[in-house]
Amino acid sequence: GQQVMQIPQYQHVQEGEDFTTYCNSSTTLSNIQWYKQRPGGHPVFLIQLVKSGEVKKQKRLTFQFGEAKKNSSLHITATQTTDVGTYFCAGDWGGYQKVTFGTGTKLQVIP
Amino acid sequence: GAVVSQHPSWVICKSGTSVKIECRSLDFQATTMFWYRQFPKQSLMLMATSNEGSKATYEQGVEKDKFLINHASLTLSTLTVTSAHPEDSSFYICSASGPMGLAGGQETQYFGPGTRLLVL
Repeated sequence: GQQVMQIPQYQHVQEGEDFTTYCNSSTTLSNIQWYKQRPGGHPVFLIQLVKSGEVKKQKRLTFQFGEAKKNSSLHITATQTTDVGTYFCAGDWGGYQKVTFGTGTKLQVIP
Repeated sequence: GAVVSQHPSWVICKSGTSVKIECRSLDFQATTMFWYRQFPKQSLMLMATSNEGSKATYEQGVEKDKFLINHASLTLSTLTVTSAHPEDSSFYICSASGPMGLAGGQETQYFGPGTRLLVL
């Protein structure tokens, strides 16, 4: 089946440093979604990117969708301890509402 | 916003028993519901997709006779783990997607809080 590769698997940063996680698909995506899962919690939808080259911002979070719609990134500026959690991308290649989750990037923020 | 509830939040059962997990969309009609399983420190793995009034579509490797899914209405789907065994212990999460426009023009999955299952 289709897969989405996500790197890095883990990331430790000092509070105030930036953080980026990347997702790649070998084939063109219809759209990509990003989720955040706090420790012990469930995934919470952050955003969906649909258009080629799309860039969306949510406060300190910047989401990008590649021109070829095969890769995406999530960048957090000046991390805070509240950013701790695992960030998942979820790729959708079309078809009926079925997405495949990346392996996730676990972010630890050191105060 | 869209709210999905899941019940129970955790369950401990003996090996061989069956466990039913409910997933409800509280403030919207979910045309499609999804069931995921997540083992510790791993990604979400889709188990099955269910549409109201029709049979669920199971992913490869998921036994449909073991994981019974019923999507009786646009707001309720149930997952029954039959004859549970310790290897079925996991975090089960449902999600629901609603009508177009719920999240800015594109259908989005809204996740329930999950059910932690421990089979002894």
